[in-house]
Amino acid sequence: AQTVTQSQPEMSVQEAETVTLSCTYDTSESDYYLFWYKQPPSRQMILVIRQEAYKQQNATENRFSVNFQKAAKSFSLKISDSQLGDAAMYFCARIDQGAQKLVFGQGTRLTINP
Amino acid sequence: DTAVSQTPKYLVTQMGNDKSIKCEQNLGHDTMYWYKQDSKKFLKIMFSYNNKELIINETVPNRFSPKSPDKAHLNLHINSLELGDSAVYFCASSLVGSYNEQFFGPGTRLTVL
Repeated sequence: AQTVTQSQPEMSVQEAETVTLSCTYDTSESDYYLFWYKQPPSRQMILVIRQEAYKQQNATENRFSVNFQKAAKSFSLKISDSQLGDAAMYFCARIDQGAQKLVFGQGTRLTINP
Repeated sequence: DTAVSQTPKYLVTQMGNDKSIKCEQNLGHDTMYWYKQDSKKFLKIMFSYNNKELIINETVPNRFSPKSPDKAHLNLHINSLELGDSAVYFCASSLVGSYNEQFFGPGTRLTVL
């Protein structure tokens, strides 16, 4: 099965510090997109950042950036200057070219310590 | 001005009952989805519709029947509810094309007693 794996069920970080969430995936496709979604306690799924597989440059959105290693099939999320509002479940997801379904990882619960 | 809305947000029912969850999007998207999030928070696609046509049916039991009366609506009807159907069901929508962002509804927490 072509899967997405998040090996860290839980992570915690001090407020204002930096944390990295890991994600690896398996696909036989050469063209695909990768996403990080945030799910706060409100349950709403919010897109944090996305990366096109054919782009070598890592995506960045304000305090959020990714480290995309295509050969290693790795897609980690770095959150800088962590804020209390960043506390949530974070899901890594992949969508392959021609497919219309997101394949999600198991999620990482991020706690921010004040 | 809600983008993707679902009703109800919470649904508690007895085993064996039939229930429906409604989803509407006002984003002008042509593709809609149903995802299921289980008790361990794992999210998985159930169905995808494009312009009212079923595109993906991810080996979901026949008790689950999606219906898309128009491209802005995708409803989910569940017959003969079972305990294992308890989960959060998310509707999502996007423009056609694999790489377009999927916008999610607020989810419906279904509890089967």
